[in-house]
Amino acid sequence: DVVLTQSPLSLPVTLGQPASISCRSSQSLVKSDGNTYLNWFQQRPGQSPRRLIYKVSDRDSGVPDRFSGSGSGTDFTLKISRVEAEDVGVYYCSQGSHFGQGTRLEIK
Amino acid sequence: EVQLVESGGDLVQPGGSLRLSCAASGFSFNTYWMDWVRQAPGKGLEWVASIKEDGSRQDYMDSVRGRFTISRDNAKNSLYLQMNSLRAEDTAMYYCARDPIYGAFDLWGQGTMVTVSS
Repeated sequence: DVVLTQSPLSLPVTLGQPASISCRSSQSLVKSDGNTYLNWFQQRPGQSPRRLIYKVSDRDSGVPDRFSGSGSGTDFTLKISRVEAEDVGVYYCSQGSHFGQGTRLEIK
Repeated sequence: EVQLVESGGDLVQPGGSLRLSCAASGFSFNTYWMDWVRQAPGKGLEWVASIKEDGSRQDYMDSVRGRFTISRDNAKNSLYLQMNSLRAEDTAMYYCARDPIYGAFDLWGQGTMVTVSS
């Protein structure tokens, strides 16, 4: 079974500074069609989750371009180039029915 | 407007039953897999069940298989989760989510809260 491990689990960041979240899989996430269906979700306090990134690096419509996804095989990263106050919340990576534990981003 | 709206959450005693509903609108419901994902208070996201576009296939997480049943009515653009033999550990916010491919949940409802307690 796939296990997704995120780090760090808590991420204090100064406004305007970059942030990075790692997601490591216990096995390769490359599917038989050659695609890697690794997603990133944001869950702001009191809200439902929202997808930010799909297929490793494709940004969803309406997602600011300060969010970017990268990686391959078993190692993936979500980067925020300049953190804004509205980015506070918990970020999850996922593949199929598997979610990472979540990373809580807060403002220092 | 493209949206999912869940309902049916409630306080129920251990061993009881509950049926959750999810009303879809604004998109071709019958062309998507649909899923239920839950979140226990203060915890992370946990996939519960999924159902194919035409209802011909259902998948479940191990701890709910045999107790929960996912179903859909494409004529009513609705998704359901029948929950039987409920346990305290089933207490969670339950979200329905649209699944375009391999769990890439691109649309979520606002959630409905299920509390299992005596």
